[in-house]
Amino acid sequence: ETGVTQSPTHLIKTRGQQVTLRCSSQSGHNTVSWYQQALGQGPQFIFQYYREEENGRGNFPPRFSGLQFPNYSSELNVNALELDDSALYLCAVQAESSYNSPLHFGNGTRLTVT
Amino acid sequence: GENVEQHPSTLSVQEGDSAVIKCTYSDSASNYFPWYKQELGKRPQLIIDIRSNVGEKKDQRIAVTLNKTAKHFSLHITETQPEDSAVYFCAAGTGYALNFGKGTSLLVTP
Repeated sequence: ETGVTQSPTHLIKTRGQQVTLRCSSQSGHNTVSWYQQALGQGPQFIFQYYREEENGRGNFPPRFSGLQFPNYSSELNVNALELDDSALYLCAVQAESSYNSPLHFGNGTRLTVT
Repeated sequence: GENVEQHPSTLSVQEGDSAVIKCTYSDSASNYFPWYKQELGKRPQLIIDIRSNVGEKKDQRIAVTLNKTAKHFSLHITETQPEDSAVYFCAAGTGYALNFGKGTSLLVTP
């Protein structure tokens, strides 16, 4: 277990609102990635942070943004929420600092946009 | 970008039988191929992975094969048990950005 904690576990927002999701890990993983998993689909890569800098981005618009803090905790921010943003948002860390080491996911935040 | 196709979308087997799930990928630069198991309402959990310099890897009842030339890789589960029932995802990529298939819902009936 990598001890990845995400909060909150569930969240309901209204279209047009903004949301912040959080991720932390027990030990200091300097790389964190965020994924969106729509119902019945595989996770989709949003972006990845390494040493507090965005270090790769998937096909998501700029209203999806993130932060990584010196203690390696991370936030995912989504502005101007749309109904299609309803999904499970997963934070993933790597147990080792090396490239291509396994990704381990947190339990996710279930976001519902109404 | 990378496109990962996964088949079948659903698979039902009898307990004790084998299950095989197949994936293809499009980007020849992909060099890392993990498989995840996701139970209902839970996070995806890594069950096995393979890197592009290896053709086959086995861990107890689970094995993965990779054919780089054909750009496909497969998950094999032998002696299936009811607790193997879950959704399985293949993924392909480099570094931290993984592209996932749409998943295979495996049902193992006693």
